[in-house]
Amino acid sequence: EVQLLESGGGLVQRGGSLRLSCAASGFTFSSYVMFWVRQAPGKGLEWVSLISGGGGSTYYADSVKGRFTISRDNSKNTLYLQMNSLRAEDTAVYYCAKNHPGVLNTVDYWGQGTLVTVSS
Amino acid sequence: DIQMTQSPSSVSASIGDRVTITCRASQGIDSWLAWYQQKAGKAPKLLIYAASSLQGGVPSRFSGSGSGTDFTLTISSLQPEDFATYYCQQANSFPLTFGGGTKVEIK
Repeated sequence: EVQLLESGGGLVQRGGSLRLSCAASGFTFSSYVMFWVRQAPGKGLEWVSLISGGGGSTYYADSVKGRFTISRDNSKNTLYLQMNSLRAEDTAVYYCAKNHPGVLNTVDYWGQGTLVTVSS
Repeated sequence: DIQMTQSPSSVSASIGDRVTITCRASQGIDSWLAWYQQKAGKAPKLLIYAASSLQGGVPSRFSGSGSGTDFTLTISSLQPEDFATYYCQQANSFPLTFGGGTKVEIK
């Protein structure tokens, strides 16, 4: 059974940093593209970042480019999101997500999410 | 960036009703479109991928169609557990983008 368990969320001041982690199990982690997707309170879904299975390719939304860094440790089956220079508009539930085995850029499993609150 | 526009933003329907949600892309995305269902306080769930392929375990009352710029999600006979918010997402190019969501409410 695929499981994605995020951690690291919490309350941080504007301009601060936070690192999210996502522990994956139930599938061959290194074989899959992984994502971070966020959802501001009461709002819709926003794609944040993507990383290839080997970690060599990464992509970011313009809203986080230069401030956030996605990475992975395939030996630990763990995905990360380093968030720096946090802004109030980064307040959201952050979901770790796994790519579908049959089609790129499509999520087939989501974690339960971790809440990041940036105080001003 | 490809903009995804969903309509309606909300719909009130009764059990057993046929519900149709549309999603329009600002440029052609072939069939690179997914549909997700999200219930309050929960993570989204994949329903449809590649515009019309039903994800495993999803009831057959859900179906997707379309290609290019215009797509449709249809629930053939609405069930109590289907009351939720539905999102489309284009998987064609970066940045990946979602529609604004359609909330299906009880009439």
